[in-house]
Amino acid sequence: QKEVEQDPGPLSVPEGAIVSLNCTYSNSAFQYFMWYRQYSRKGPELLMYTYSSGNKEDGRFTAQVDKSSKYISLFIRDSQPSDSATYLCAMTGNQFYFGTGTSLTVIP
Amino acid sequence: EPEVTQTPSHQVTQMGQEVILRCVPISNHLYFYWYRQILGQKVEFLVSFYNNEISEKSEIFDDQFSVERPDGSNFTLKIRSTKLEDSAMYFCASRRQPNYEQYFGPGTRLTFT
Repeated sequence: QKEVEQDPGPLSVPEGAIVSLNCTYSNSAFQYFMWYRQYSRKGPELLMYTYSSGNKEDGRFTAQVDKSSKYISLFIRDSQPSDSATYLCAMTGNQFYFGTGTSLTVIP
Repeated sequence: EPEVTQTPSHQVTQMGQEVILRCVPISNHLYFYWYRQILGQKVEFLVSFYNNEISEKSEIFDDQFSVERPDGSNFTLKIRSTKLEDSAMYFCASRRQPNYEQYFGPGTRLTFT
């Protein structure tokens, strides 16, 4: 079983839609959870960082963690064409583990 | 805003050559990392480095790889004898303390002639 599972997509939505991105994980020792955005041929850019179950909001982005279900989500409200990128979930124990990334396209 | 920088942005090599990829982490960060991302695949952990020694490494990080912090600012990844399967983007990352957020550099693309 992989440490982190993420649906690779691709996901295509119209501008203004609410986007939901999800990851599941198997290791209950993971305590810190991150979402990164990666544009083509660029380094991952940190979007959100959480360490407890519940929701964390930052502008149009909301990160949700459910440790009991080993499930994390990223919601993007009022999606924009500039949100088109690959979104990576990541979590840490001793090492960093990344999901495969979900490719998102927001259509104007 | 402080950022992680990497040079070169693109490194062209030949089979069997040695390459050194360079990174300048954020100045008050203490933990340093190298990752690679083969085109179209996920980001893979290579190695973590703290207090001038390797703290964790993955199975990818075999004897042909080495890391070094030669001075107070640079953090390098050396690949001794490059192979075609080493073609990838190599990302450096740093963070201030364990369990703090990790910041990535823009990456070095390694390709072959």
